[in-house]
Amino acid sequence: AQSVTQLGSHVSVSEGALVLLRCNYSSSVPPYLFWYVQYPNQGLQLLLKYTTGATLVKGINGFEAEFKKSETSFHLTKPSAHMSDAAEYFCAVSEDNAGNMLTFGGGTRLMVKP
Amino acid sequence: NAGVMQNPRHLVRRRGQEARLRCSPMKGHSHVYWYRQLPEEGLKFMVYLQKENIIDESGMPKERFSAEFPKEGPSILRIQQVVRGDSAAYFCASSPPGLAGASRKEQFFGPGTRLTVL
Repeated sequence: AQSVTQLGSHVSVSEGALVLLRCNYSSSVPPYLFWYVQYPNQGLQLLLKYTTGATLVKGINGFEAEFKKSETSFHLTKPSAHMSDAAEYFCAVSEDNAGNMLTFGGGTRLMVKP
Repeated sequence: NAGVMQNPRHLVRRRGQEARLRCSPMKGHSHVYWYRQLPEEGLKFMVYLQKENIIDESGMPKERFSAEFPKEGPSILRIQQVVRGDSAAYFCASSPPGLAGASRKEQFFGPGTRLTVL
């Protein structure tokens, strides 16, 4: 069975500082990993995904994530936070042998201070 | 190309009433998923449908909840005899056709329907 843990339900950074949002997963087979962002009262928008190939994945808005199999992690980073990055971020996993459903972590709310 | 459409955006029901939530997938998409987001929680999978077929309903509560995706028209999530615990945001997502590699494909999410049960 697949599962996702996001450490830290709330993260606060200053504008211009590094953003690091943590995601660890559990999967019995090679996983597919996703990061989604949710702005208030909106649906989820895909930031980036890892399926196969290069383990460092670049996404939209300057975000990137690195798949580390040995650590079962897929942490999201951005070198310099912007006020517009304030939102809720969800890590998710899917597997070929678990249907097409996404299993989500509990989410991390990112706050950016001026 | 319009995104995933959901309506209504907000729905208020009294206990015991029925709630019907509609989802129109992106043009050309044939896979539809429903997720529920309880306050301060992540999204939980409910059901996965293709046209006229329920593929996986392992996340659906055993009673009062049903879903369909007819040949014509939107997908419907139906909740009968709603209770306060059903209050949540319900999100629909869609993805392109084709079972091969389906788990790798991005799911495109709608804006959600926020159900409030009084």
